[in-house]
Amino acid sequence: NAGVTQTPKFQVLKTGQSMTLQCAQDMNHNSMYWYRQDPGMGLRLIYYSASEGTTDKGEVPNGYNVSRLNKREFSLRLESAAPSQTSVYFCASTFPRWGEWGSNQPQHFGDGTRLSIL
Amino acid sequence: QQQVKQSPQSLIVQKGGIPIINCAYENTAFDYFPWYQQFPGKGPALLIAIRPDVSEKKEGRFTISFNKSAKQFSLHIMDSQPGDSATYFCAATGTASKLTFGTGTRLQVTL
Repeated sequence: NAGVTQTPKFQVLKTGQSMTLQCAQDMNHNSMYWYRQDPGMGLRLIYYSASEGTTDKGEVPNGYNVSRLNKREFSLRLESAAPSQTSVYFCASTFPRWGEWGSNQPQHFGDGTRLSIL
Repeated sequence: QQQVKQSPQSLIVQKGGIPIINCAYENTAFDYFPWYQQFPGKGPALLIAIRPDVSEKKEGRFTISFNKSAKQFSLHIMDSQPGDSATYFCAATGTASKLTFGTGTRLQVTL
C-alpha cells in the first residue's frame, strides 16, 4: 500500500536552478495539495488541486508552479530556486468534502522532500 | 497571518502524565478540526478530529475538547507513553478541504 509517494526524498540546489518535485497517489483521491513545513511555522499550503484539471493558489504560492498531470499525479515546480525556499515539502491527497454529504475525509500525506537551496 | 494559534511550542511530561495542547482559531467558517501526529522523517498522519457541534470526542487515549463560543479546542493524551513522543499539529478546515495548521507542539514523554 504505497499511499502518497514523493520523489526525490532529498535534494540540494544552487540558487537560480530549477526543479520539479513529483507526487503520486494510488488511493483514487480527487483532491491533492502541496505544503511546505518550516520550523515554528507549521505547514503552509502552497497550491492545491480540488479535482483533475483544476489548480488554485494557497497561502504561499509565490515562486512556485504546479501541474495536475492526471488524477494520480500532482507536481510542484521551482523555476528559479531561492534560499528562502529551503524547506520540507509535503504532498497530500483526499476525497473532497461536498457540502453536508458525509464527513470530512482526512488528508493523507507523503513522507516529504527535504530541499536545501544554497 | 496565523489563523490557528497553537501552544505550547514544546512539552515534556513523564510517562503516565496527561499532556494538554491548546489551539485557538479566528475564522468562524472553519467547521472541521483535525489533529495530526508527525514522527521525525515522516509526513503528518490524522490522529483524531472533531466537528463544532460536539464538545468532546474520545478515541482510545486521545481526547479533543471543543469550546465553540471561545473558538478554542485542545488535545489531551491520557496515560502518555514514550511512543507518543512526536510533533502534534492542530488544524482547521472549511471550503475545498483546505487545511490551516497550527505551528506545532513537540511532545517528549520521558520514562
